[in-house]
Amino acid sequence: AQSVTQLGSHVSVSEGALVLLRCNYSSSVPPYLFWYVQYPNQGLQLLLKYTSAATLVKGINGFEAEFKKSETSFHLTKPSAHMSDAAEYFCAVGDYGGSQGNLIFGKGTKLSVKP
Amino acid sequence: DADVTQTPRNRITKTGKRIMLECSQTKGHDRMYWYRQDPGLGLRLIYYSFDVKDINKGEISDGYSVSRQAQAKFSLSLESAIPNQTALYFCATSDPNRRGDVEQFFGPGTRLTVL
Repeated sequence: AQSVTQLGSHVSVSEGALVLLRCNYSSSVPPYLFWYVQYPNQGLQLLLKYTSAATLVKGINGFEAEFKKSETSFHLTKPSAHMSDAAEYFCAVGDYGGSQGNLIFGKGTKLSVKP
Repeated sequence: DADVTQTPRNRITKTGKRIMLECSQTKGHDRMYWYRQDPGLGLRLIYYSFDVKDINKGEISDGYSVSRQAQAKFSLSLESAIPNQTALYFCATSDPNRRGDVEQFFGPGTRLTVL
């Protein structure tokens, strides 16, 4: 069965610093991988996705993620944090087991950005 | 206008009451999902439906039921609400056949409090 592990439930960075949010997945088949962002009091918005094309995926708001099959990782990065990046981030993997097309979500990482 | 809408956005109810959460979508997608979000637990799948005649239990279906009234409408019911069903509930849609992947599109959420 597919699974997702997000390392660190809370990450705090200073404005202008590198953002690195970690995600490791488990999948017996080539996965679809996603990062979603949830701003306070809002729903989930797609940040970026990997669908077996380029391994370096660029998303909205300057975020990007690199698919590394050998490490089963899909870490999210942004070179310079902005205050507006404060939100909760969820990594998800496409489930191709008995329920094709479902997503398995990690438990989320809450990002705080200090002035 | 939003593609995926949920009503109500906030609801406070009492233990033992029956409550229905509604989801509507204008995206024309066949697949619809209900999730609950709890702090530190991420999103967990309650029920999903691949078309009007198809209903499937998710990871945490006990205490919930659903109805797919039409392609565009998917309702979640709590037959007898209990306090540990207090959570943020999200509806989502997807259409892998049309898009070639399994990206899900989320509604704004319903915050449910059971006293």
